[in-house]
Amino acid sequence: DAGVIQSPRHEVTEMGQEVTLRCKPISGHNSLFWYRQTMMRGLELLIYFNNNVPIDDSGMPEDRFSAKMPNASFSTLKIQPSEPRDSAVYFCASSLAGVAGEQYFGPGTRLTVT
Amino acid sequence: SQQGEEDPQALSIQEGENATMNCSYKTSINNLQWYRQNSGRGLVHLILIRSNEREKHSGRLRVTLDTSKKSSSLLITASRAADTASYFCATSSGGYQKVTFGTGTKLQVIP
Repeated sequence: DAGVIQSPRHEVTEMGQEVTLRCKPISGHNSLFWYRQTMMRGLELLIYFNNNVPIDDSGMPEDRFSAKMPNASFSTLKIQPSEPRDSAVYFCASSLAGVAGEQYFGPGTRLTVT
Repeated sequence: SQQGEEDPQALSIQEGENATMNCSYKTSINNLQWYRQNSGRGLVHLILIRSNEREKHSGRLRVTLDTSKKSSSLLITASRAADTASYFCATSSGGYQKVTFGTGTKLQVIP
């Protein structure tokens, strides 16, 4: 099993540019999560999908952030326009047992916005 | 806001010693999980304890849960240098059992 796959692993972009982060969950998992991790704020849940449907997006910081899950094997997190304060490590995780079960994390995407 | 708060924030011990980390939370929970994060990596699930359980073991890990005190502890026995990592508790609560991660304890095991 390849585990959760995220791309790119590193992204450096200039303020104002659009950024798209990608995630492939573990096959058969029905729940997908996007997290952001910073030193200041720790690990924050941005959005949670169950069976490809967004269930909780209350953690999405603002309208500049959007997430989609067009099918069970792919999700994107988009930031448009990006700002320096968006710099963080973004993790995708998937779960077989819903939101309260064991989550499998991807390696993360380190985003730097200059 | 963070549901779980780990204590201590950082811990440094010698290899072979036991390491104890604590997690306190504010609202009633459905379950509590512990995760490990090695530097530059994603989180790895260690153990899950349900609200009606008091203690759980997995290899060198022992987790306790005291719902009356709203706290949990993670004990790593006979620590190894490879245990050096950050450890997070994650609580599940509410109607749809939203999971919230704590602030983490950074453990350093000195060989």
